[in-house]
Amino acid sequence: DAGVIQSPRHEVTEMGQEVTLRCKPISGHDYLFWYRQTMMRGLELLIYFNNNVPIDDSGMPEDRFSAKMPNASFSTLKIQPSEPRDSAVYFCASSSGTGPAFFGQGTRLTVV
Amino acid sequence: QQQVKQSPQSLIVQKGGISIINCAYENTAFDYFPWYQQFPGKGPALLIAIRPDVSEKKEGRFTISFNKSAKQFSLHIMDSQPGDSATYFCAASKGSARQLTFGSGTQLTVLP
Repeated sequence: DAGVIQSPRHEVTEMGQEVTLRCKPISGHDYLFWYRQTMMRGLELLIYFNNNVPIDDSGMPEDRFSAKMPNASFSTLKIQPSEPRDSAVYFCASSSGTGPAFFGQGTRLTVV
Repeated sequence: QQQVKQSPQSLIVQKGGISIINCAYENTAFDYFPWYQQFPGKGPALLIAIRPDVSEKKEGRFTISFNKSAKQFSLHIMDSQPGDSATYFCAASKGSARQLTFGSGTQLTVLP
């Protein structure tokens, strides 16, 4: 398996634009997580899904953030409109049952 | 609310020495404690994990020591190598899902 695949690896966008980050979890994994990493706040959980259903979105910072998982092999994290303070590395991770979480390479987002 | 506190923030060790990173948690419902290793530009990768029913787990040069009564756990890296230079994160989770609460990270530098 290729592991968790995220795209794009880097994204630079202007303030106010819509940004969509994509994730393909490891096949067979039933949990999918979105994390954000910044110098100030470290690694923080934004939202997670179980069997494609959002379970806990309490970490989503604002209504500008939304996440979907239309099927077991694909998830998106959307920011609309984007702001400079959204600049961070966004990670997707997946796990199977109570097994460990495996992380993707991340998407480095820069909002100018 | 910082549920997992990690120290030190940075650590410099000579090649062949022992690296020790400490974490303390607050939530007694946590039942899974992994350590992740992150290289620049990469996602966190699972290093080793422990459950609170054991006091120690060893995998190669990496050992987790766990003290349930003190709500503390630590990572020991024996015979540290320059290739171990990375950022290390402790984490904790509870329940069946692996939604992780991360410590703030320790940047380890192993001098040749």
